[in-house]
Amino acid sequence: AQSVSQHNHHVILSEAASLELGCNYSYGGTVNLFWYVQYPGQHLQLLLKYFSGDPLVKGIKGFEAEFIKSKFSFNLRKPSVQWSDTAEYFCAVKTTSGTYKYIFGTGTRLKVLA
Amino acid sequence: NAGVMQNPRHLVRRRGQEARLRCSPMKGHSHVYWYRQLPEEGLKFMVYLQKENIIDESGMPKERFSAEFPKEGPSILRIQQVVRGDSAAYFCASSLGTTDTQYFGPGTRLTVL
Repeated sequence: AQSVSQHNHHVILSEAASLELGCNYSYGGTVNLFWYVQYPGQHLQLLLKYFSGDPLVKGIKGFEAEFIKSKFSFNLRKPSVQWSDTAEYFCAVKTTSGTYKYIFGTGTRLKVLA
Repeated sequence: NAGVMQNPRHLVRRRGQEARLRCSPMKGHSHVYWYRQLPEEGLKFMVYLQKENIIDESGMPKERFSAEFPKEGPSILRIQQVVRGDSAAYFCASSLGTTDTQYFGPGTRLTVL
C-alpha cells in the first residue's frame, strides 16, 4: 500500500534559521505531491504542489520543495523562518492513476522561537 | 471568496450519542471528500461524494458511519452511537473536479467522553 513518511514530528528553530522538512513516499508510478500547512486554529492551506515539469517548486510565503524521483522524496525548504511560520506541516501524495485519494504523512509540528 | 466551511469546530458527545458534522464546499465545487485524523496519525481518506451521490466510501467504517451530500445544503458526516475511538479531527475538502486540487476546511474536533 502507498504510504507517506514525515520523519520529523517536532522541529524547533530560532527565527532566521533555515528549514528543511523531509517527506518520502512509497509508490512506483507517477504522483502528484503537495505540502499543506495548518496554522493554529485554522484550516489546512495549500503551500505548494508538484504535478510535472521543473522539480523545484516554489510556493507561497517563501517556501519551496524539490521533487527527487530517484529518492521518492519531496522535501520542503525555507531559507529563513519567521515566528509566524509556527504551524503543522503535512506532506500528501496522490497517485495519478485515476484516484482522488490523498495520502498524508503524520505531519511535522514546527515551532519558531522569536 | 469563502473557503471550505465546517461546523461545528468542536463537538463533545457522550458514548452512545450521535454526532453530525457539516461541510460547505467552496463556491462552485461539487466534489466533497471527508478525511479523519486520529491522534498522532496523518489524515486518512473516508469518503468521496458528489451532489446526491456517494462515489467512494471505501475508507468509511462499516458500521455507524454515513455521509450524504444533498442537492441543497451542506455535506453531512453522521456518526451514530459514538465510542471513544471515534475521537478525532474530521476534515472536509472540496474540489472543482475529480483530478483537481483539494481545498480543506478547518476541521471538526470530535471528543467522545
